[in-house]
Amino acid sequence: NAGVTQTPKFQVLKTGQSMTLQCAQDMNHEYMSWYRQDPGMGLRLIHYSVGAGITDQGEVPNGYNVSRSTTEDFPLRLLSAAPSQTSVYFCASSFDGRVKKLFFGSGTQLSVL
Amino acid sequence: AQKITQTQPGMFVQEKEAVTLDCTYDTSDQSYGLFWYKQPSSGEMIFLIYQGSYDEQNATEGRYSLNFQKARKSANLVISASQLGDSAMYFCAMRESANTGGFKTIFGAGTRLFVKA
Repeated sequence: NAGVTQTPKFQVLKTGQSMTLQCAQDMNHEYMSWYRQDPGMGLRLIHYSVGAGITDQGEVPNGYNVSRSTTEDFPLRLLSAAPSQTSVYFCASSFDGRVKKLFFGSGTQLSVL
Repeated sequence: AQKITQTQPGMFVQEKEAVTLDCTYDTSDQSYGLFWYKQPSSGEMIFLIYQGSYDEQNATEGRYSLNFQKARKSANLVISASQLGDSAMYFCAMRESANTGGFKTIFGAGTRLFVKA
């Protein structure tokens, strides 16, 4: 059981480049979300999805796009990378049970030069 | 405005003693959930404990308990008999309703706990 899989684990970009962080889960979870973690800031919600075809902005959505065409996949796109987007990115998923705890991927360390 | 506030950036505790990590939250939802997650130096996120807003009893999971005071909007984590392996970052989180239906989960800034031998 793979759980939540994020790729790549590490990435270095130049300012202005675009890229997509991949996230896939095999648990048939309806809910998926992207967070970024910066020192002293905790995890901040970028975008989230409550099901295929439905996405919404979180706390820090600027500079990021998402789509949810399938239940399994929730890619995060950086359209034009900026140094301020240097961070660790976590994807998480959850099912609609009583607790709704998050299952996390292992994270992507992104550096934008 | 911060919805989840963790006022202790860092905490020290002696091994085998108990420690309380503070968390206050702000929401207008009647139904919500509160979580604590642990992040060791390896970077993984580990679920520790959950408290629902309608749960009358404080949640407990082994050495972890959640001191839930609804009127004060606080959800403090208590770790009893601290162990060296408890040294980690601890995040308080809240699940609340989302604009699109369903829910979203937001986190506090975290508290770094150091357990001394």
